[in-house]
Parts: sequence; structure tokens; C-alpha cells
Amino acid sequence: AQTVTQSQPEMSVQEAETVTLSCTYDTSESDYYLFWYKQPPSRQMILVIRQEAYKQQNATENRFSVNFQKAAKSFSLKISDSQLGDAAMYFCAYRYSGTYKYIFGTGTRLKVLA
Amino acid sequence: EAGVAQSPRYKIIEKRQSVAFWCNPISGHATLYWYQQILGQGPKLLIQFQNNGVVDDSQLPKDRFSAERLKGVDSTLKIQPAKLEDSAVYLCASSLAASAYNEQFFGPGTRLTVL
Repeated sequence: AQTVTQSQPEMSVQEAETVTLSCTYDTSESDYYLFWYKQPPSRQMILVIRQEAYKQQNATENRFSVNFQKAAKSFSLKISDSQLGDAAMYFCAYRYSGTYKYIFGTGTRLKVLA
Repeated sequence: EAGVAQSPRYKIIEKRQSVAFWCNPISGHATLYWYQQILGQGPKLLIQFQNNGVVDDSQLPKDRFSAERLKGVDSTLKIQPAKLEDSAVYLCASSLAASAYNEQFFGPGTRLTVL
């Protein structure tokens, strides 16, 4: 069975600093996608970044980048130049190409300190 | 572009009562999802529709939960009768097509409290 594990329930970062959120997953499939979603206190989840498993190059979106280690089944999110608006719950999610169901991790609450 | 709409935003009921949630997906999105998010956990898929057909309802407690998507647009999720453990946020999401690459767009959710 596919699982997603986020081992950091909570993280803190100083404004303008860099933080890395960890995510590991377990799957026997080779064709899948990985996502990071952000859920601010208003509860509306938004996509931060996504990675296709067949791509070796790590995805980047402005201040957000991932470190995708397929062999280690690791998918961490790096936030550079952290801003107060980055404070939220962050969920790592896995999606196998054969189905369309997301499997979410338990989330990491990120606090940004001014 | 309007986002995914959900109502109500909050609902408080007593156990054994019934409740219904409504979702209006983004226009043109064929795929609609209902998730249950219990406090401190990630969202769990309850049911997925492709147009007005059910694709996956393997984790839907069918003895008390039901969902429909009439005309392939709006959807309702019903709980009857509610239990204490149903207290959660119910999220609706939609995507353009049932492709693993496609982004899901989430609504603001309905927070259900069962007393």
C-alpha cells in the first residue's frame, strides 16, 4: 500500500531564512506524481509545487523548490526567503498514474517568526 | 475564474441527526472529489466523481454517507445519521480531468461539529 509520511508536525523559521520540510513515501510503482499543498488558516488548500517521478530535475516555483530523491523515496520542500504569508499547514501528497486518488501525509505546520 | 464553492462553512449538529453539504466545482471541471479531514490529519478521499459517475467510493462509509452529482456539475454529500467521529472538515475539490498530473482545486471546506 502507498503511504506518505511527514515526520515533522511543526517547524519554525525566521522571516527571510530558509526552511526545509521533509516527506517520505512508500510505493512499488514507478510512474507517479508528488505534490506539496499549502493550507493557510482559512482552510483553502492550494498547490505549491509538483514533481513528476520520471523527471530527474527538481521542480522549482519561485521561492519554493523540492529535493526529489527517487531511490530514497524522499520529497522535501525548501522555502527560501521565508515570508509571514508562508505560515500554514503543508501537506505532501502522492498520486499514482494508475488511479487519481491523492494520498496525503499528516502535514507540517510551519510558523514564520518576525 | 471563480473557485470551488462550498456551503455551509460551519455546521453544528447533534449525533443521530442528518446533515448535507453542497459543492459547486469550477466550471468545466469534470472530476469532483469529496475529502474528510479530521483535525491533525491529512485529507482522506471519500468519493470521486467523473462527470456524474462514481469513480472511487472505496472509503465512503456507505451505511451513513451518501453523495450524488446531478447533471455532472454540483454535488451534495449527506450524512445520516451522524456520529461523534464524523466531526471533521469536509473538503470538496475539482480538476479539469481525471489525470494524475492535473492539479486539484479545493474549496474552503465545511467544518462539521457533532455533539
